[in-house]
Amino acid sequence: DIQMTQSPSSLSASVGDRVTITCRASQSISDYLNWYQQKPGKAPKLLIYAASSLQSGVPSRFSGSGSGTDFTLTISSLQPDGFATYSCQQTYSSPWTFGQGTKVEIK
Amino acid sequence: QVQLVQFGAEVKKPGASVKVSCKASGYTFTSYYLHWVRQAPGQGLEWMGRINPYDGSTSYAQKFQGRIAMTRDTSTSTVHMDLSSLRSEDTAVYYCARGYRDSYYGMDVWGQGTTVTVSS
Repeated sequence: DIQMTQSPSSLSASVGDRVTITCRASQSISDYLNWYQQKPGKAPKLLIYAASSLQSGVPSRFSGSGSGTDFTLTISSLQPDGFATYSCQQTYSSPWTFGQGTKVEIK
Repeated sequence: QVQLVQFGAEVKKPGASVKVSCKASGYTFTSYYLHWVRQAPGQGLEWMGRINPYDGSTSYAQKFQGRIAMTRDTSTSTVHMDLSSLRSEDTAVYYCARGYRDSYYGMDVWGQGTTVTVSS
């Protein structure tokens, strides 16, 4: 199975901050990488697919980059509704696997 | 609108089976795959497998092979996930999620989740 490792596991940030989360795959996954946002007690929400494509309806302050094994999710200006857990997911090969999540908390 | 609706919560004893259902609406049911993803308390997301509602074909994570079955009912646009030989580690929220034939596009619509508790 392909292992997905996110860093950091958690971070504290303020409204307006630029936030960067990284995700590393244990082998090359091309750009078969998605990012999800999840709030407590809610289902995940797709933010970015194919490493850098913004899902319809998602604000442009979210962006993704990377290819191969190293990927990044960037929030250009953190808003109050951005305090959540973010998870990466590879869909390059079965079983699809997720990172352990990065919790973004209020500073 | 496009939505996936899941029903209720389940409490099961170890060794029992559970059937979790997911009803789709607002789109052509047979045109998209449906995946099952679970999340144990305080843990990350875990992909369990998927079904193609068009022909009923399935693909399961090796971890669950032998005790998982996904089926669909095209007359009601509903998919079901059966998990047998339950153990305490199966306590989790189980989500269904819509995906595309091309895995490039991720899972764009999710159900609200069904809580399954396994306890003696």
